[in-house]
Amino acid sequence: TQLLEQSPQFLSIQEGENLTVYCNSSSVFSSLQWYRQEPGEGPVLLVTVVTGGEVKKLKRLTFQFGDARKDSSLHITAAQPGDTGLYLCAASYMDSNYQLIWGAGTKLIIKP
Amino acid sequence: DSGVTQTPKHLITATGQRVTLRCSPRSGDLSVYWYQQSLDQGLQFLIQYYNGEERAKGNILERFSAQQFPDLHSELNLSSLELGDSALYFCASSVGLAGFDFRNEQFFGPGTRLTVL
Repeated sequence: TQLLEQSPQFLSIQEGENLTVYCNSSSVFSSLQWYRQEPGEGPVLLVTVVTGGEVKKLKRLTFQFGDARKDSSLHITAAQPGDTGLYLCAASYMDSNYQLIWGAGTKLIIKP
Repeated sequence: DSGVTQTPKHLITATGQRVTLRCSPRSGDLSVYWYQQSLDQGLQFLIQYYNGEERAKGNILERFSAQQFPDLHSELNLSSLELGDSALYFCASSVGLAGFDFRNEQFFGPGTRLTVL
């Protein structure tokens, strides 16, 4: 059974600071996605990474896929209040027929 | 706007009652997924349908059932409701079947907030 752990569970920082959240797996995954969910809304897909060592950037967000395909990180530079939300990672695994396994999420609050 | 629609937006009902939540997937998507999210919790996968057939089950209670119709819209039926069933229920859709699409990117609707009193 695959497990996907996110850390930290909760992060509250001031506007302008940098932060990194992590997603770690007990098994090698085929692909990994990051979603952001604002309160009362559905999750929105931010990025999909599929290649070990891959780095993708989305404005101030940088997503990295570990070389061994068992971990990923999301780094936010100069965080803004609009970045507030629940960040979820979800991975697909070949031996679970690519069904998405979801992390529990990192709740991020950016204070003005 | 993800292209996935869900109705109703809010639903308030009493314990013991039965409700039906409705979802229309993005145009062209054949897979529909249902998730439950309790307050300040992560997403709990309930069930997946692909082109009208059930394809995967998660932590779905026996009191809950779902179906996908020929026009690909889906309904989630919740019966004998309990206070603990109060949650946000999300529908998501994807293009294909997880087993053939290793990316399995999902697009979520706005959710239905169910309150059981």
